[in-house]
Order: sequence, then C-alpha cells, then structure tokens
Amino acid sequence: KQEVTQIPAALSVPEGENLVLNCSFTDSAIYNLQWFRQDPGKGLTSLLLIQSSQREQTSGRLNASLDKSSGRSTLYIAASQPGDSATYLCASPSGTYKYIFGTGTRLKVLA
Amino acid sequence: DTGVSQDPRHKITKRGQNVTFRCDPISEHNRLYWYRQTLGQGPEFLTYFQNEAQLEKSRLLSDRFSAERPKGSFSTLEIQRTEQGDSAMYLCASSSRGEKLFFGSGTQLSVL
Repeated sequence: KQEVTQIPAALSVPEGENLVLNCSFTDSAIYNLQWFRQDPGKGLTSLLLIQSSQREQTSGRLNASLDKSSGRSTLYIAASQPGDSATYLCASPSGTYKYIFGTGTRLKVLA
Repeated sequence: DTGVSQDPRHKITKRGQNVTFRCDPISEHNRLYWYRQTLGQGPEFLTYFQNEAQLEKSRLLSDRFSAERPKGSFSTLEIQRTEQGDSAMYLCASSSRGEKLFFGSGTQLSVL
C-alpha cells in the first residue's frame, strides 16, 4: 500500500529565496510522480510530471527530481515570489490506476 | 480544451437528503477520477473510470455513494442519505494514459 509523506507541513520564506519541498513514498514501483499547486478553496493545478525513466523535470522556476531507489522526490522553487504562496502536493501512483496524495506543504512567501 | 468542469460549485443540504454532482472531463481524456478533500488534508481517492467502466472503488466509499460515467463522457457522483461527515470538497480529475491529471474546481458540500 502506497503512503506519501510531505515535509515540511508549512514553510514561510522571504521573497527571493530558493526553497526545496520534499515528498517521500513507500512503494518505489511507480511509473511516474506528479506535483500540484492548490490555492485556497480551489482545485489542483498540475505543475510537473516526472516519468519513472526520468530523474528530473523543469518548468520555468520549478524543478522536480525523482529518486525511486530512495523513495523521494523534491520540488525546487527558485527565486520565490509572493504569487508562489499556495499549498504544494505530490501524488504517487498506487497500483494500476489511482494516485495517492500527500497532505501538502503550505508555502507562504513574504514580500 | 475547456478544462474539467464541475457542477455545482457549492451545495448546502440537510442531513438525510440525496445530492448529485456532475463532472465534465476534457473531451479526449478516457480516464476519470473522483477524489474527496477535507480541510488541511490531501485529496482522498474515491473511484476511477476508464471510459465507461468503473475499474476501482475505494473501500472507504460506503454503499451510500455511487458513481456513473455513461457512454464514457461526463460522470455523476451521488451521495444518498447525506451525513455531516460527508461535508468536504469533491474533486474530479481526468487524464490520458500516463499523462498529467487535470482537476476541476471542485464541488464544496456542506451537510447541515
């Protein structure tokens, strides 16, 4: 049974800082891993998807890495901005179809 | 690509009433998911459709919950005899095989 853990649960940083969000999963037999952003009261927005054959994916100031052997993924945000304030969630497949989500990291970037 | 649409955005109901939510996925996506999310938690898997077939259903889903996806297009999630513990955000997502999940804005259910 897949379990997904995200650390830290909350993070507050000054604008301009680089930061790293962590995601751990227990079952390394996964075919991909996804990172999402969620604003309060809204649905989830897909940020990055890393296939199991890849080690990292980049989109703008975001970079996500995947290490299946250690059961870890990280989301790196460069030069953080107040607009990056949101909850960031990772999701790992469990079995053939469903995705299991972590509880998220609530990020606040201070101007 | 108009995105995933969910209706209604908000639903307030009294305990014991039945409610139904609708999800319209992205048209070319054959995979459709329903999740439930409560405050401060990550989304919790409810059920999965591939085309019109319901291939997986969470053991957490009691027999008061039922979902359909007729003709592999839109989907409905019905909750019968609602309880206060059913209050949550109900999220729908769609995807193609191996691709990103696209979520709708969700339906916020409040059971009084």
